[in-house]
Amino acid sequence: DTAVSQTPKYLVTQMGNDKSIKCEQNLGHDTMYWYKQDSKKFLKIMFSYNNKELIINETVPNRFSPKSPDKAHLNLHINSLELGDSAVYFCASSPLGTGTTEAFFGQGTRLTVV
Amino acid sequence: GDSVTQMEGPVTLSEEAFLTINCTYTATGYPSLFWYVQYPGEGLQLLLKATKADDKGSNKGFEATYRKETTSFHLEKGSVQVSDSAVYFCALNERDTNAGKSTFGDGTTLTVKP
Repeated sequence: DTAVSQTPKYLVTQMGNDKSIKCEQNLGHDTMYWYKQDSKKFLKIMFSYNNKELIINETVPNRFSPKSPDKAHLNLHINSLELGDSAVYFCASSPLGTGTTEAFFGQGTRLTVV
Repeated sequence: GDSVTQMEGPVTLSEEAFLTINCTYTATGYPSLFWYVQYPGEGLQLLLKATKADDKGSNKGFEATYRKETTSFHLEKGSVQVSDSAVYFCALNERDTNAGKSTFGDGTTLTVKP
């Protein structure tokens, strides 16, 4: 069983469209994240949720809206897509607490905006 | 705030060469330190970790020692293989954080040639 799964794996869409990426984890973790990885492989956190509550919202355009229907799911909706949104988006999860435990990552969603 | 500085890449080595990827950090508390590896087309996965000073993390022939006095967590491997070609990320978690947010370095791309 995949621990953190994202769908779709690839997404090609036109500028101006609205799209969603789904993420599910079956590890029982309380915390879930969205990261963006650009073409230089730099990894930046976008959002973090604890038990469906938004904890971290880094400087991300409000075209990006995360939704957590329950603690096992964290979806990412993007409105009015722009060329600069092209990147690989990673979902991750980790247990709540002491910070000694690593994050578990999904396989990534490669978004290409044309 | 917290930060992680990694040796800039890309790094290209011949098979069986010795590998060092430097990582230094700045943190306000007593962080846990991690190395993640990202193979081509995949998500990040934990390679090794250390949760307190002088701990040594090891896995798959890779090692890193948590050095509080030099605020470093350098990654080493005695003899690299072609299959080690990947992007390596150093990261830290602050202890006692409920947000569970990790701070990542910029990644170092390693290419091992036969």
